[in-house]
Amino acid sequence: QSALAQPASVSGSPGQSITISCTGTNNDIGAYNYVSWFQQHPGKAPKLILYDVSHRPSGVSTRFSGSKSGNTASLTISGLLAEDEADYYCSACKRTNSHVFGTGTTVTVL
Amino acid sequence: QVQLMQSGAEVKKPGDSVRVSCQTSGYMFSIYGVMWVRQAPGQGLEWMGWISGHNTYTEYEQKFQDRLIMTTDTSTNTAYMELTSLRSDDTAVYFCARVTFSDWYPRILEYWGQGTLVSVSA
Repeated sequence: QSALAQPASVSGSPGQSITISCTGTNNDIGAYNYVSWFQQHPGKAPKLILYDVSHRPSGVSTRFSGSKSGNTASLTISGLLAEDEADYYCSACKRTNSHVFGTGTTVTVL
Repeated sequence: QVQLMQSGAEVKKPGDSVRVSCQTSGYMFSIYGVMWVRQAPGQGLEWMGWISGHNTYTEYEQKFQDRLIMTTDTSTNTAYMELTSLRSDDTAVYFCARVTFSDWYPRILEYWGQGTLVSVSA
């Protein structure tokens, strides 16, 4: 199955806001509000930062926010910090009870 | 606290099988599931499948249907992922993650194992 489409890289200066898009189809992102975002630092396991489009697990910074419109979901990181430099992946449930991840976006803090 | 502890790194030859374990603790195993995700070197995350901790129902990514087996042992709250007929492109880090379901949709993946490197080489 095809991965959700994300930009390969996004960069920003400390304190700025950046947005990462995640584009799917009406069989995944467009079907339900079961969209999640993960942050992954090198050599580490992914960390859940948003679920159900815009909900933050306990302990996740309020600088991370999410939204969805049609078949595209977005992750915004506000007040960019050096520690935000990482890979970010979106994911979504599909109509078939399967799951799909995005292609991944590398965030660079300039 | 919730923990998922995976078994150690494996080195295999093409055609071999590998079984990776994911021992869970800190929560009621039967009301969640376990998803398996892999990541080839320098690549993105790839969904492989999930298994229910309640009734062992499974969903597999179609590309793995004929060589992937997911099981659980409720006496030890452990999930297992076995991949057969290994190829060099199966070289990857394999992760397990706890699944929170909504109507059998694998909705939330909040807790992850540390990952297990499986290397396949002749």
